[in-house]
Amino acid sequence: SQTIHQWPATLVQPVGSPLSLECTVEGTSNPNLYWYRQAAGRGLQLLFYSVGIGQISSEVPQNLSASRPQDRQFILSSKKLLLSDSGFYLCAWGRQDHEQYFGPGTRLTVT
Amino acid sequence: EDQVTQSPEALRLQEGESSSLNCSYTVSGLRGLFWYRQDPGKGPEFLFTLYSAGEEKEKERLKATLTKKESFLHITAPKPEDSATYLCAVPTKGGRRALTFGSGTRLQVQP
Repeated sequence: SQTIHQWPATLVQPVGSPLSLECTVEGTSNPNLYWYRQAAGRGLQLLFYSVGIGQISSEVPQNLSASRPQDRQFILSSKKLLLSDSGFYLCAWGRQDHEQYFGPGTRLTVT
Repeated sequence: EDQVTQSPEALRLQEGESSSLNCSYTVSGLRGLFWYRQDPGKGPEFLFTLYSAGEEKEKERLKATLTKKESFLHITAPKPEDSATYLCAVPTKGGRRALTFGSGTRLQVQP
């Protein structure tokens, strides 16, 4: 069966500091991978998606970036965090029929 | 622009009091409608995929139905453990294999 991991689970970072969130998937090969952000009481906003190693598409302009160095690894980064970057970050892997399965999420608080 | 609207935003039920959640969508050529359950502080959990009008799927006390413009998630005789936020989503247009989510219905079932 497939499993998706995210870490860290929670993170408190000061404004201007760098960020690195990691997501790995087990039990499937060549998955579509996604990063979403969820603000409090809001729906999910797609940030990045990837259909293969090194292939990243950005959905919204922002100071975040994503990378996919390996088939089942997806990384979300920032060089300098903003207060507005606070939120709940979710990684997901997707099948070709659009079904997506989410990881446990990372709660980021920028202070 | 594809749009997904969920109602009500919040719903409070007594244990055993059946009700329905609504998800309306404006998208041409629907390629699936997806329901998820999200517990506080956790990633969304996949529930159902519906592909065509008239289709129904069931899981325990939940039944999802689909028409040409909306989907309903019927909850029969709910229990407190059914309390969660329920999200619906449709594939985002443009071949990106991403999902566009509604803002969710927050369900609270009181004993």
